[in-house]
Amino acid sequence: NAGVTQTPKFQVLKTGQSMTLQCAQDMNHEYMSWYRQDPGMGLRLIHYSVGAGITDQGEVPNGYNVSRSTTEDFPLRLLSAAPSQTSVYFCASRQGRALNTEAFFGQGTRLTVV
Amino acid sequence: GQQVMQIPQYQHVQEGEDFTTYCNSSTTLSNIQWYKQRPGGHPVFLIQLVKSGEVKKQKRLTFQFGEAKKNSSLHITATQTTDVGTYFCAGLRDYGQNFVFGPGTRLSVLP
Repeated sequence: NAGVTQTPKFQVLKTGQSMTLQCAQDMNHEYMSWYRQDPGMGLRLIHYSVGAGITDQGEVPNGYNVSRSTTEDFPLRLLSAAPSQTSVYFCASRQGRALNTEAFFGQGTRLTVV
Repeated sequence: GQQVMQIPQYQHVQEGEDFTTYCNSSTTLSNIQWYKQRPGGHPVFLIQLVKSGEVKKQKRLTFQFGEAKKNSSLHITATQTTDVGTYFCAGLRDYGQNFVFGPGTRLSVLP
């Protein structure tokens, strides 16, 4: 089992460029989420999804879009990159829609916006 | 909104010393989870606590959930270099939609 797979691992963008961070899981988990990790601030929730066709905003959604057309995939789109979006991004999934299960994290994408 | 705090932010210990990190929530929690992130790695689930006053052990790690379900602690006995990393707590409040992560405690272990 691959678990949660994120691509790319590293990315440098110029201000104003757009890109999509990919996330795929092979565990048939209903719940998927995106976090950003900045020094001293822990993990902050960007968007989440409790199943295919359902998405919702987290704590810091501005500047990001998501979609969930399949159970397996949950891409994160940066529409117009800004230096403030320089961060490490983690995708995570959980079994079922209940939140009493452990989160499985991908390896992360380190994004730099110049 | 819900806030989760952790202290200390950093801890440097000599190998063999004990280590404790504390997690405090501004609201009562239904459950709390702990994760470990090695340097350059991703968070990995350690444990979940659900009951008031609950204590769970994993080898040298002891996890405790406060009686009021607003705080938690992780204690490591006789640290080893393999314990190096950042330890995060994540709290879910009653009727909450998502876990809120604390800022983490970074542990360094000097051999």
